[in-house]
Parts: sequence; C-alpha cells; structure tokens
Amino acid sequence: SAVISQKPSRDICQRGTSLTIQCQVDSQVTMMFWYRQQPGQSLTLIATANQGSEATYESGFVIDKFPISRPNLTFSTLTVSNMSPEDSSIYLCSVAPGQGLEKLFFGSGTQLSVL
Amino acid sequence: KQEVTQIPAALSVPEGENLVLNCSFTDSAIYNLQWFRQDPGKGLTSLLLIQSSQREQTSGRLNASLDKSSGRSTLYIAASQPGDSATYLCAVRDTGFQKLVFGTGTRLLVSP
Repeated sequence: SAVISQKPSRDICQRGTSLTIQCQVDSQVTMMFWYRQQPGQSLTLIATANQGSEATYESGFVIDKFPISRPNLTFSTLTVSNMSPEDSSIYLCSVAPGQGLEKLFFGSGTQLSVL
Repeated sequence: KQEVTQIPAALSVPEGENLVLNCSFTDSAIYNLQWFRQDPGKGLTSLLLIQSSQREQTSGRLNASLDKSSGRSTLYIAASQPGDSATYLCAVRDTGFQKLVFGTGTRLLVSP
C-alpha cells in the first residue's frame, strides 16, 4: 500500500492566476497519476508522471496548461496555469505501487474553486 | 473506447439492508476492475480489485463479482450501515491502453 499526502486540500483562486498542487508519497513509486474530477462527474486522467521523463498527457490536456514535475520517486507537482472558472474541480494524485497495473492509491484531493 | 456506466446514480436505503451496486463496461477486454469509495472532501479508498481471471472478491461485508463476457460487475454490501454512506466508483483497466476508466459513481445514503 501507499500513503499519499496531497496539499493544499482546497483553495479559492482568482482568474488568470496559477496554483501548484503537491503530492508526497511515503514510499518510492515509479508511476504517479494526476486526475481531475469536475463537479458531478467522474474522474478523468490528466497525465501520467514517471520519474526521469516527461509526463504523458491525455487527449485534451496540454503541458502549457498543466505542467507537471516529478523530481524523484516520492514527489510530484501539478500546476494549473492561467486559471478560469472552468478549472474549478477536484484534482487528485494517485500512485500504483509495483508495475502500475494493480491497485491505485489516491491522495485526499485538492478542491479548487476559481472565481 | 471503453465506457463505464454505473446504475443507479443514487440510492437511499435504511440501515441493515443488503444492497447491490451495478457497473457495466462496453469492452470486455479488461485487465482488472476496481471498486472505490469516495467520501466528501476526501480522496478515493480502494475497496476491492478483481483480476480478469477472477469471478469475485470479498472483504468483510463487501463482495464484488465480475462477469467479463457480459461486461458487468456488481458490488454487494451486506447489512448496510450509516458509515457506508459515500459515493462508490468502479474503474476498469483495459488490456489495450491499460488506462483506468472510471464510472460516474453511485451515491449511497444509508439512514439510521
């Protein structure tokens, strides 16, 4: 298993600003994932972050809008850039210990509201 | 493209009832299926993981079944308690892209 600390837990931001979300894991993991959950909807994968390589973004998500860092095997950040009200969502980081195909463990999420 | 649907979207039951949550998926070529619980203001908690070769998994009062050929999974909760109130999500990992595709969830309310 894995224990994931994600912060901030919530934030209210102004349009046009950026927010960086941090995700810290208590053990080394190869693959980390960032998800978005828009109000009333299910989770959508933003990108997969592997240490030592560029993040892989899903269709509809771009690096300029959601830059990701993965400096080591226990830490990652997701930045939501130039925010608009449409970015108001819950953002969750997730890890998959092992080969990345088994159980996913999630952080507690970041509730973002953009005014 | 894999699509995952959960029925019902919301469910309200009195304490003590046994209940079934349903999950269906369009592409049967899956690697595994996972059930999660999501509490307000918290992340997701993994409940059960069923590999494609398995038919069911059990943990305490929870039992999840998988019928891959028909594209269905059910989560059975026995003797429900108010503490079971949460949103339950199923997620399918397909063998192709190996990504996890989430359903829209069932919001469960168990009243005392």
